[in-house]
Amino acid sequence: QKEVEQDPGPLSVPEGAIVSLNCTYSNSAFQYFMWYRQYSRKGPELLMYTYSSGNKEDGRFTAQVDKSSKYISLFIRDSQPSDSATYLCAPSNSGYALNFGKGTSLLVTP
Amino acid sequence: KAGVTQTPRYLIKTRGQQVTLSCSPISGHRSVSWYQQTPGQGLQFLFEYFSETQRNKGNFPGRFSGRQFSNSRSEMNVSTLELGDSALYLCASKPRGSTDTQYFGPGTRLTVL
Repeated sequence: QKEVEQDPGPLSVPEGAIVSLNCTYSNSAFQYFMWYRQYSRKGPELLMYTYSSGNKEDGRFTAQVDKSSKYISLFIRDSQPSDSATYLCAPSNSGYALNFGKGTSLLVTP
Repeated sequence: KAGVTQTPRYLIKTRGQQVTLSCSPISGHRSVSWYQQTPGQGLQFLFEYFSETQRNKGNFPGRFSGRQFSNSRSEMNVSTLELGDSALYLCASKPRGSTDTQYFGPGTRLTVL
């Protein structure tokens, strides 16, 4: 079993929709949970960073961690075409990302 | 402040050859990490260098190696290239600590024929 599982999509939604992106992980030692966004032909950029369980909100983005079920989510409200990208989850037991999901490709259509 | 730069951006090699990729971190950043990204395996950690010393290593064969110079610039080398080494190789830098945010470069696209 891979340490991090993520549905690759692609996921296509209309502009304004609420998007839910999810990952599961197997290592209960993971305490840091990161989401990266990667545009085509670019390197990943850190979008959200949470520690331990709970929710964290940043503008239209909300990251949610459920350590009991080893399940992490990223919600995007009022999605925009500029949100079209690949989203990678990266749980970690240190502060930096060693284990990434394969990424979910998101397309937001106008 | 300039971002992480990687050279070259694209590279084509044949099986059995070796290749060296270069990464210049953000000014002041002392940690450089390398990753391999493929459609099949996703983004996988290769190794991290900090102050010219390898601090962490992923699960890759010894054909993959790296080094860091005193100015924090880093190179990674892949010897005896295989078709499966075709990938996007990403470099990321951060100031120093394990909890610092790391910043990725645009990557080097390596194609092995």
